[in-house]
Amino acid sequence: NAGVTQTPKFQVLKTGQSMTLQCAQDMNHNSMYWYRQDPGMGLRLIYYSASEGTTDKGEVPNGYNVSRLNKREFSLRLESAAPSQTSVYFCAAKVAKTREKLFFGSGTQLSVL
Amino acid sequence: TQLLEQSPQFLSIQEGENLTVYCNSSSVFSSLQWYRQEPGEGPVLLVTVVTGGEVKKLKRLTFQFGDARKDSSLHITAAQPGDTGLYLCAGAKEYGNKLVFGAGTILRVKS
Repeated sequence: NAGVTQTPKFQVLKTGQSMTLQCAQDMNHNSMYWYRQDPGMGLRLIYYSASEGTTDKGEVPNGYNVSRLNKREFSLRLESAAPSQTSVYFCAAKVAKTREKLFFGSGTQLSVL
Repeated sequence: TQLLEQSPQFLSIQEGENLTVYCNSSSVFSSLQWYRQEPGEGPVLLVTVVTGGEVKKLKRLTFQFGDARKDSSLHITAAQPGDTGLYLCAGAKEYGNKLVFGAGTILRVKS
Protein backbone atom coordinates (compact mmCIF):
# COMPACT_ATOMS: atom_id res chain seq x y z
CA ASN A 1 0.00 0.00 0.00
CA ALA A 2 2.01 2.97 -1.30
CA GLY A 3 -0.53 5.72 -0.47
CA VAL A 4 0.15 8.70 -2.73
CA THR A 5 2.90 8.32 -5.34
CA GLN A 6 4.40 11.22 -7.28
CA THR A 7 6.74 11.15 -10.25
CA PRO A 8 9.29 12.42 -11.00
CA LYS A 9 11.09 13.18 -7.74
CA PHE A 10 13.32 15.84 -9.34
CA GLN A 11 13.10 17.78 -12.59
CA VAL A 12 15.03 20.60 -14.22
CA LEU A 13 13.40 22.51 -17.07
CA LYS A 14 14.38 25.39 -19.28
CA THR A 15 12.06 28.38 -19.52
CA GLY A 16 9.31 27.63 -22.02
CA GLN A 17 9.49 23.86 -21.78
CA SER A 18 6.44 21.83 -20.83
CA MET A 19 6.06 18.87 -18.54
CA THR A 20 3.50 16.84 -16.62
CA LEU A 21 3.76 15.84 -12.99
CA GLN A 22 2.10 12.54 -12.27
CA CYS A 23 0.22 11.56 -9.13
CA ALA A 24 -1.51 8.30 -8.27
CA GLN A 25 -3.20 7.11 -5.09
CA ASP A 26 -4.18 3.59 -4.10
CA MET A 27 -6.44 4.51 -1.17
CA ASN A 28 -9.65 4.89 -3.19
CA HIS A 29 -10.04 8.50 -2.03
CA ASN A 30 -12.45 10.78 -3.84
CA SER A 31 -10.61 14.10 -3.57
CA MET A 32 -7.15 14.94 -4.83
CA TYR A 33 -5.08 18.13 -4.62
CA TRP A 34 -1.98 19.78 -6.03
CA TYR A 35 0.00 22.17 -3.80
CA ARG A 36 3.22 24.07 -4.25
CA GLN A 37 5.54 24.81 -1.36
CA ASP A 38 7.86 27.79 -1.33
CA PRO A 39 10.12 28.99 1.52
CA GLY A 40 8.25 31.17 3.98
CA MET A 41 4.92 30.70 2.23
CA GLY A 42 3.69 27.33 3.36
CA LEU A 43 1.60 25.20 1.03
CA ARG A 44 -0.55 26.94 -1.57
CA LEU A 45 -3.29 25.14 -3.41
CA ILE A 46 -2.95 25.11 -7.20
CA TYR A 47 -5.89 22.94 -8.28
CA TYR A 48 -8.06 20.29 -6.72
CA SER A 49 -10.49 17.62 -7.78
CA ALA A 50 -13.34 16.96 -5.37
CA SER A 51 -14.30 13.81 -7.24
CA GLU A 52 -13.59 11.96 -10.46
CA GLY A 53 -14.58 14.10 -13.42
CA THR A 54 -14.38 17.46 -11.64
CA THR A 55 -11.55 19.95 -11.20
CA ASP A 56 -11.45 23.43 -9.64
CA LYS A 57 -8.96 26.22 -9.31
CA GLY A 58 -7.20 26.84 -6.05
CA GLU A 59 -5.27 29.84 -4.81
CA VAL A 60 -2.52 29.95 -7.49
CA PRO A 61 -3.77 28.25 -10.71
CA ASN A 62 -2.16 30.51 -13.33
CA GLY A 63 0.30 28.69 -15.59
CA TYR A 64 -1.00 25.24 -14.69
CA ASN A 65 -3.55 22.76 -15.96
CA VAL A 66 -4.78 19.52 -14.42
CA SER A 67 -6.42 16.29 -15.50
CA ARG A 68 -8.31 13.87 -13.26
CA LEU A 69 -7.71 10.87 -15.48
CA ASN A 70 -9.64 8.47 -13.26
CA LYS A 71 -10.22 8.06 -9.55
CA ARG A 72 -6.59 7.06 -8.95
CA GLU A 73 -4.70 9.60 -11.04
CA PHE A 74 -4.47 13.39 -10.98
CA SER A 75 -1.82 15.05 -13.16
CA LEU A 76 -0.48 18.60 -13.17
CA ARG A 77 0.79 20.14 -16.41
CA LEU A 78 3.03 23.13 -16.96
CA GLU A 79 2.52 24.21 -20.57
CA SER A 80 5.31 26.79 -20.71
CA ALA A 81 7.47 26.71 -17.61
CA ALA A 82 8.66 29.95 -16.03
CA PRO A 83 11.32 30.53 -13.34
CA SER A 84 8.53 31.60 -10.95
CA GLN A 85 7.30 28.01 -11.08
CA THR A 86 10.47 26.74 -9.42
CA SER A 87 9.09 25.07 -6.32
CA VAL A 88 8.37 21.80 -4.58
CA TYR A 89 5.08 20.32 -5.72
CA PHE A 90 2.95 18.04 -3.56
CA CYS A 91 0.01 15.91 -4.51
CA ALA A 92 -2.45 14.95 -1.79
CA ALA A 93 -5.54 12.82 -1.43
CA LYS A 94 -8.38 13.13 1.05
CA VAL A 95 -10.30 10.50 2.89
CA ALA A 96 -13.86 11.52 2.10
CA LYS A 97 -15.36 10.41 5.42
CA THR A 98 -12.68 12.00 7.60
CA ARG A 99 -12.78 15.69 8.28
CA GLU A 100 -10.27 17.24 5.91
CA LYS A 101 -7.54 14.66 6.53
CA LEU A 102 -4.95 14.89 3.76
CA PHE A 103 -2.41 12.25 2.75
CA PHE A 104 0.56 13.69 0.89
CA GLY A 105 3.01 12.30 -1.63
CA SER A 106 6.74 12.84 -1.13
CA GLY A 107 6.93 15.76 -3.54
CA THR A 108 8.52 16.79 -6.83
CA GLN A 109 11.34 19.32 -6.70
CA LEU A 110 11.14 21.38 -9.89
CA SER A 111 13.72 23.91 -11.05
CA VAL A 112 13.04 26.15 -14.04
CA LEU A 113 16.15 27.83 -15.42
CA THR B 1 -0.90 37.99 3.33
CA GLN B 2 -1.14 34.66 5.16
CA LEU B 3 -4.61 33.79 6.38
CA LEU B 4 -2.93 31.73 9.09
CA GLU B 5 0.06 33.29 10.82
CA GLN B 6 2.49 30.96 12.52
CA SER B 7 5.06 31.99 15.09
CA PRO B 8 7.88 31.71 15.56
CA GLN B 9 9.15 31.06 12.05
CA PHE B 10 12.24 29.29 13.37
CA LEU B 11 13.06 27.75 16.73
CA SER B 12 16.35 26.18 17.80
CA ILE B 13 16.41 24.63 21.26
CA GLN B 14 18.31 22.11 23.34
CA GLU B 15 17.07 18.60 24.00
CA GLY B 16 14.83 18.53 27.05
CA GLU B 17 13.45 22.06 26.70
CA ASN B 18 9.78 22.88 26.31
CA LEU B 19 8.38 24.96 23.46
CA THR B 20 5.14 26.36 22.10
CA VAL B 21 4.26 27.12 18.50
CA TYR B 22 1.35 29.40 17.68
CA CYS B 23 -1.09 29.56 14.79
CA ASN B 24 -3.27 32.67 14.64
CA SER B 25 -5.94 34.07 12.36
CA SER B 26 -8.67 36.67 12.27
CA SER B 27 -10.94 34.09 10.62
CA VAL B 28 -13.02 31.37 12.24
CA PHE B 29 -12.28 27.80 11.19
CA SER B 30 -14.49 24.74 11.46
CA SER B 31 -11.41 22.66 12.19
CA LEU B 32 -7.69 23.06 12.43
CA GLN B 33 -4.96 20.56 11.77
CA TRP B 34 -1.29 20.27 12.62
CA TYR B 35 1.14 18.55 10.28
CA ARG B 36 4.80 17.67 10.64
CA GLN B 37 7.10 17.57 7.63
CA GLU B 38 10.61 16.16 7.38
CA PRO B 39 13.08 17.13 4.63
CA GLY B 40 12.31 15.45 1.31
CA GLU B 41 8.94 14.20 2.45
CA GLY B 42 5.34 15.37 2.40
CA PRO B 43 3.54 16.63 5.51
CA VAL B 44 2.07 14.04 7.84
CA LEU B 45 -1.03 14.75 9.88
CA LEU B 46 -0.51 14.91 13.65
CA VAL B 47 -3.92 15.96 14.90
CA THR B 48 -7.25 17.55 14.01
CA VAL B 49 -9.08 19.81 16.48
CA VAL B 50 -12.69 20.64 15.91
CA THR B 51 -14.32 22.12 19.01
CA GLY B 52 -13.47 25.53 20.46
CA GLY B 53 -11.35 25.06 23.59
CA GLU B 54 -10.50 21.50 22.66
CA VAL B 55 -7.23 20.07 23.94
CA LYS B 56 -5.64 16.96 22.48
CA LYS B 57 -2.53 15.19 23.64
CA LEU B 58 -0.24 13.02 21.56
CA LYS B 59 2.51 11.72 23.86
CA ARG B 60 4.67 14.81 24.58
CA LEU B 61 2.68 17.03 22.19
CA THR B 62 -0.33 19.03 23.39
CA PHE B 63 -2.61 20.77 20.89
CA GLN B 64 -5.18 23.38 21.77
CA PHE B 65 -7.90 25.02 19.68
CA GLY B 66 -8.87 28.50 20.79
CA ASP B 67 -12.32 29.10 22.27
CA ALA B 68 -13.30 31.26 19.29
CA ARG B 69 -11.80 28.74 16.81
CA LYS B 70 -9.47 31.41 15.37
CA ASP B 71 -6.19 30.18 16.79
CA SER B 72 -4.32 27.12 17.95
CA SER B 73 -1.15 26.17 19.74
CA LEU B 74 1.21 23.23 19.79
CA HIS B 75 3.21 22.63 22.97
CA ILE B 76 6.05 20.12 23.08
CA THR B 77 7.34 18.96 26.45
CA ALA B 78 10.93 17.78 26.83
CA ALA B 79 11.78 18.13 23.14
CA GLN B 80 13.92 15.46 21.53
CA PRO B 81 16.07 15.55 18.38
CA GLY B 82 13.45 13.38 16.70
CA ASP B 83 10.99 16.28 17.00
CA THR B 84 13.07 18.28 14.51
CA GLY B 85 11.06 19.24 11.46
CA LEU B 86 8.68 21.74 9.90
CA TYR B 87 5.39 22.13 11.75
CA LEU B 88 2.44 23.38 9.71
CA CYS B 89 -1.01 24.39 10.85
CA ALA B 90 -3.90 24.21 8.40
CA GLY B 91 -7.47 25.43 8.76
CA ALA B 92 -10.73 24.59 7.04
CA LYS B 93 -13.52 27.15 6.82
CA GLU B 94 -16.22 24.52 6.52
CA TYR B 95 -16.47 20.77 6.30
CA GLY B 96 -15.18 19.49 2.96
CA ASN B 97 -13.69 22.83 1.96
CA LYS B 98 -10.11 23.45 0.98
CA LEU B 99 -7.42 23.65 3.63
CA VAL B 100 -5.44 26.87 4.13
CA PHE B 101 -1.90 26.38 5.40
CA GLY B 102 0.28 28.58 7.54
CA ALA B 103 3.87 29.27 6.48
CA GLY B 104 5.22 26.82 9.07
CA THR B 105 7.61 26.76 12.01
CA ILE B 106 11.01 25.15 11.54
CA LEU B 107 12.00 23.38 14.76
CA ARG B 108 15.53 22.21 15.42
CA VAL B 109 16.26 20.27 18.59
CA LYS B 110 19.93 19.91 19.39
CA SER B 111 21.29 17.03 21.43
